[in-house]
Amino acid sequence: EAQVTQNPRYLITVTGKKLTVTCSQNMNHEYMSWYRQDPGLGLRQIYYSMNVEVTDKGDVPEGYKVSRKEKRNFPLILESPSPNQTSLYFCASSLIPLQETQYFGPGTRLLVL
Amino acid sequence: KQEVTQIPAALSVPEGENLVLNCSFTDSAIYNLQWFRQDPGKGLTSLLLIQSSQREQTSGRLNASLDKSSGRSTLYIAASQPGDSATYLCAVRPVRGSTLGRLYFGRGTQLTVWP
Repeated sequence: EAQVTQNPRYLITVTGKKLTVTCSQNMNHEYMSWYRQDPGLGLRQIYYSMNVEVTDKGDVPEGYKVSRKEKRNFPLILESPSPNQTSLYFCASSLIPLQETQYFGPGTRLLVL
Repeated sequence: KQEVTQIPAALSVPEGENLVLNCSFTDSAIYNLQWFRQDPGKGLTSLLLIQSSQREQTSGRLNASLDKSSGRSTLYIAASQPGDSATYLCAVRPVRGSTLGRLYFGRGTQLTVWP
């Protein structure tokens, strides 16, 4: 089944404890992206990757890191999480970066205490 | 910076009504526009994708139109059903070189269709 998977789905952590949210797609998509969704602010793009080893900042990259060492995986790293990073995170991918629709993962709900 | 606005923020209608959701964007230099559906606690599901050269796209009871010059798109839902209840989001992809990989979302219209 074609899908985008995220792990973990739910995470509670404390300020400053490094964490990684994994994202994997099995559709051989070139483009992958991370978003966060907050009440009243909607969906905002954090980072995106047009292909392997190519990443770029979105609207709200501060406090986040990403890497794209292989086509299928695009992990989101929070080196030192803070409470303002409490949010619902979505990973998405598409076959061709610009022309195709994006497929979204189920989301990761993060709470930073 | 591209700004995307969706009106209304919430809409409640009886089953069977035809309805229109609106999306406007400030920069008409877009590559394409997409409409998504989000159910509570779930991810986004793509409904329709309109390329900048197209005027509309249809899928079943859904029809999306695009007027790039005026910075507007509408999503028309015919004969609404309770199962259509969800939040509908539009997103635009800019065409300018340095922002090609970006996607800008509106805040959504929360639709409730009651029996």
